[in-house]
Amino acid sequence: AQSVTQPDIHITVSEGASLELRCNYSYGATPYLFWYVQSPGQGLQLLLKYFSGDTLVQGIKGFEAEFKRSQSSFNLRKPSVHWSDAAEYFCAVAMEYGNKLVFGAGTILRVKS
Amino acid sequence: DAGVIQSPRHEVTEMGQEVTLRCKPISGHDYLFWYRQTMMRGLELLIYFNNNVPIDDSGMPEDRFSAKMPNASFSTLKIQPSEPRDSAVYFCASSLAGGVTDTQYFGPGTRLTVL
Repeated sequence: AQSVTQPDIHITVSEGASLELRCNYSYGATPYLFWYVQSPGQGLQLLLKYFSGDTLVQGIKGFEAEFKRSQSSFNLRKPSVHWSDAAEYFCAVAMEYGNKLVFGAGTILRVKS
Repeated sequence: DAGVIQSPRHEVTEMGQEVTLRCKPISGHDYLFWYRQTMMRGLELLIYFNNNVPIDDSGMPEDRFSAKMPNASFSTLKIQPSEPRDSAVYFCASSLAGGVTDTQYFGPGTRLTVL
């Protein structure tokens, strides 16, 4: 069965600094990979997704993620963090012909001014 | 577009009571998903529907949980009887055509507290 690991429970970065959130997956075939963001008291919003093709994926709000098959990773990055980016971020993986998303435990991002 | 609507936003009940959570998906979306989010287990899929028909309920924790979708614009998740360990945030999500290639849109969630 597929699984997702987000090694960092909390991350704190300064406003304007770069950000990288880690995600590792376990899945035998080609995975479908996602990053979602959850602001306090809100539902999840899709930031970006990867199915195939270019391994560097651009998303909303200035985020990008890079798929590295050799490392089974799909890390999320942003060159300059804004205070409004403070939220919880979830990586998710899915099977190619399914409907189920398997989510990681999430990483809480704090932004200090 | 109003997005996915869930009600109530907060529910506090006592152990043994029946709880009903409600969801209105985005109009025109054929798939509806119910998720549960807890500190211990994270975000997990409970059940999903396609065109009002339950497709996979393998995530439903036990018989105390049931979900229905009587029409394309309404779904309920019922817990009877409720227990303290059911305390969680329950999310409803919908997607247009299903399959993981289609974006799931999440509602704001219902925070359930069972005393």
